[in-house]
Amino acid sequence: KAGVTQTPRYLIKTRGQQVTLSCSPISGHRSVSWYQQTPGQGLQFLFEYFSETQRNKGNFPGRFSGRQFSNSRSEMNVSTLELGDSALYLCASSLAATGELFFGEGSRLTVL
Amino acid sequence: KNQVEQSPQSLIILEGKNCTLQCNYTVSPFSNLRWYKQDTGRGPVSLTIMTFSENTKSNGRYTATLDADTKQSSLHITASQLSDSASYICVVSDQTGANNLFFGTGTRLTVIP
Repeated sequence: KAGVTQTPRYLIKTRGQQVTLSCSPISGHRSVSWYQQTPGQGLQFLFEYFSETQRNKGNFPGRFSGRQFSNSRSEMNVSTLELGDSALYLCASSLAATGELFFGEGSRLTVL
Repeated sequence: KNQVEQSPQSLIILEGKNCTLQCNYTVSPFSNLRWYKQDTGRGPVSLTIMTFSENTKSNGRYTATLDADTKQSSLHITASQLSDSASYICVVSDQTGANNLFFGTGTRLTVIP
């Protein structure tokens, strides 16, 4: 069974640009959540989608947005990039809201 | 305020030795507690999930304990191997309808030969 796939794995952007990251969950998983990981802050929750609906949202500015498609694939978008957005962005999928999280390998974003 | 604190922040041990990582939380109402292992540059991988009624759960050389009364958990690693070098993250879930997850900042373990 294929795991969670995130693309791209690495990307470099400049301040002010926008970026879109993609996540394909494990087949059959309908819940997809996104996290930002930085060395100082650890893992921080961005948002969670279930059946194309955002169920929960973390404490991030509106520049961070996401969506989920009917096939459960999800994208997150960050607009007007800032240097502080440099981080590892992780996606996780699960069968149910309280179920085990399966993480992808992450997308490492560097903002110059 | 719901928080998860892990200690120590980092730890260096000799290969073959045992070690114990700590996780204290204030999350309420409590639903479950998870331990994840994260290799450098990779995504976290689940080691154990424990609910209120479980006080011990093992996964190979990893044994997690939970004391829901004192709101403490520990992860014990037996006979450490070089491949155990990683960050170990404690995550606590609450029972609210939003199923919020609260993350510790992790313990960085380095196993040296």
